[in-house]
Amino acid sequence: NAGVTQTPKFQVLKTGQSMTLQCAQDMNHEYMSWYRQDPGMGLRLIHYSVGAGITDQGEVPNGYNVSRSTTEDFPLRLLSAAPSQTSVYFCASSRNRDSYGYTFGSGTRLTVV
Amino acid sequence: EDKVVQSPLSLVVHEGDTVTLNCSYEVTNFRSLLWYKQEKKAPTFLFMLTSSGIEKKSGRLSSILDKKELFSILNITATQTGDSAVYLCAVEAYSGAGSYQLTFGKGTKLSVIP
Repeated sequence: NAGVTQTPKFQVLKTGQSMTLQCAQDMNHEYMSWYRQDPGMGLRLIHYSVGAGITDQGEVPNGYNVSRSTTEDFPLRLLSAAPSQTSVYFCASSRNRDSYGYTFGSGTRLTVV
Repeated sequence: EDKVVQSPLSLVVHEGDTVTLNCSYEVTNFRSLLWYKQEKKAPTFLFMLTSSGIEKKSGRLSSILDKKELFSILNITATQTGDSAVYLCAVEAYSGAGSYQLTFGKGTKLSVIP
């Protein structure tokens, strides 16, 4: 039981490049979400999903896309990276409507130069 | 817009001290309040509170929720250097279409010195 797995752990991108941050969970959680954490800003919700095929925007969705084709995976795509997207990204999951806390992945530190 | 405010933003104490961390909130469709501890990596879950006045306790940590006054406190007694971390408060609120969102406060950075 690996919990929530995020890859990569670190990434450096050039402005304008695209990439996908991976998030996978093996707990059969229906609810998955992406946050970014910036100094002094706390954790802010980017996108979330309540189940396969269903996604919705959070507080700061601009510049990010998501999809949820399976229950296990919830990738976050940056289509054209910008320096403002330099941050630490966390993926989290929970059981739908019966959550007992949210389980977080170990994070991806992204730097856009 | 949902809002979660934590205080103080940082705190330095000596080992053995007792500390109280505060979290106030303004959200619509409140479902629960959660406390997390974040050291170098991912936040780790401490408590989830849904009912007023019922204390949750785990070892030296305890927490209580006041849904009338819209706040929660996290107490840590007999602090140890291993308690040094950022403590995050988050409020879970119903966001429609059968889903929920977490709104986090900015955290309280606790430093425990020997």
